Amino acid sequence: KQEVTQIPAALSVPEGENLVLNCSFTDSAIYNLQWFRQDPGKGLTSLLLIQSSQREQTSGRLNASLDKSSGRSTLYIAASQPGDSATYLCAPNDYKLSFGAGTTVTVRA
Amino acid sequence: NAGVTQTPKFQVLKTGQSMTLQCAQDMNHNSMYWYRQDPGMGLRLIYYSASEGTTDKGEVPNGYNVSRLNKREFSLRLESAAPSQTSVYFCASSEKGSTEAFFGQGTRLTVV
Repeated sequence: KQEVTQIPAALSVPEGENLVLNCSFTDSAIYNLQWFRQDPGKGLTSLLLIQSSQREQTSGRLNASLDKSSGRSTLYIAASQPGDSATYLCAPNDYKLSFGAGTTVTVRA
Repeated sequence: NAGVTQTPKFQVLKTGQSMTLQCAQDMNHNSMYWYRQDPGMGLRLIYYSASEGTTDKGEVPNGYNVSRLNKREFSLRLESAAPSQTSVYFCASSEKGSTEAFFGQGTRLTVV
């Protein structure tokens, strides 16, 4: 059974700081890994998808890395803004997505 | 482009009542999933359907049944609701198990 751990559980930073969110998983036999954003009371929005053959993926201020052999992924958010405040979830995919509890980010103006 | 649509968005049930949560996707995806999300926990897979006509149990299937009605629709049924089934339920779909998944907006279910 895939176990997913996200550290830290919560993070509060002033606007403009760079964010580093960590994700670890126990089974490295995955097809890909997705990072999602979830706003309070809302559904999941896909941010980035990294295929198992890729080392990283970028979209705007977001960059995600994947080290499949060690079971780790990191999401970097550059120059954080208050609108980045949300819970971020990583989900490795071994034909089914598995989720950690997420990292709740607060960016203070 | 609606993506994944869930109905209803909110529901309150009494213990022992039954209900069906509906999910439909318009992306011609083969795979569909039902998850539940509880406070402080990650999403947990209840059931999934790799393709039309097939369904399989996930991590927490007890107390639930599913039907893959056609390629677009995947419903989740609670036959006799219990307070432990109070949760937010999410439906998701993907082209196949190894591709990007898209989620609906969720159904908030309270069982009293």
